[in-house]
Amino acid sequence: AQSVTQPDIHITVSEGASLELRCNYSYGATPYLFWYVQSPGQGLQLLLKYFSGDTLVQGIKGFEAEFKRSQSSFNLRKPSVHWSDAAEYFCAVVLFSGGYNKLIFGAGTRLAVHP
Amino acid sequence: KAGVTQTPRYLIKTRGQQVTLSCSPISGHRSVSWYQQTPGQGLQFLFEYFSETQRNKGNFPGRFSGRQFSNSRSEMNVSTLELGDSALYLCASSLAGGRLETQYFGPGTRLLVL
Repeated sequence: AQSVTQPDIHITVSEGASLELRCNYSYGATPYLFWYVQSPGQGLQLLLKYFSGDTLVQGIKGFEAEFKRSQSSFNLRKPSVHWSDAAEYFCAVVLFSGGYNKLIFGAGTRLAVHP
Repeated sequence: KAGVTQTPRYLIKTRGQQVTLSCSPISGHRSVSWYQQTPGQGLQFLFEYFSETQRNKGNFPGRFSGRQFSNSRSEMNVSTLELGDSALYLCASSLAGGRLETQYFGPGTRLLVL
């Protein structure tokens, strides 16, 4: 069955440090992958997406993600974290059913940023 | 262009009551999907509507229902509320729910069932 695993439930980093959030997927066909961010009490904001082509994708707020088919991974990175990046991050894969899509989400990684 | 809007933002209901949540998609978007977010189960797909038709449904009991209007606005209804229905309900819209489309989410409606 299609699934998304985010191994880290909580991550704490210092402001200015680099960040990598892990995401592994299980999907039989070519995956279409997303990273969303959710601030407390808010909905989901799209950070970036991968459909095809260049395996390194750039997103908003200085985030990037790399698709590695051999590792079934789509890890999110940021070279220097800002305090405002504290939020919950969700990786998702599109599941196609009957010609239309729905998102399968990972459990999320909650990021805390120390000053 | 305005984003996805959801009303109300917060609701408090008691067990056994029913509730209706509303979602207005981005202008021009005709596909609306609903998701439930809880601490225990995470984000789970409820259903998806396109052109007033439910095309896709998640694994939820029949107490959860929805509909879509001709202007693409959607409502979801939960009848006979249970404590476990307390959650953040998120609505997302896309152009037509197609293969390479991105879903854009609203701020959600937080439902508390007492």
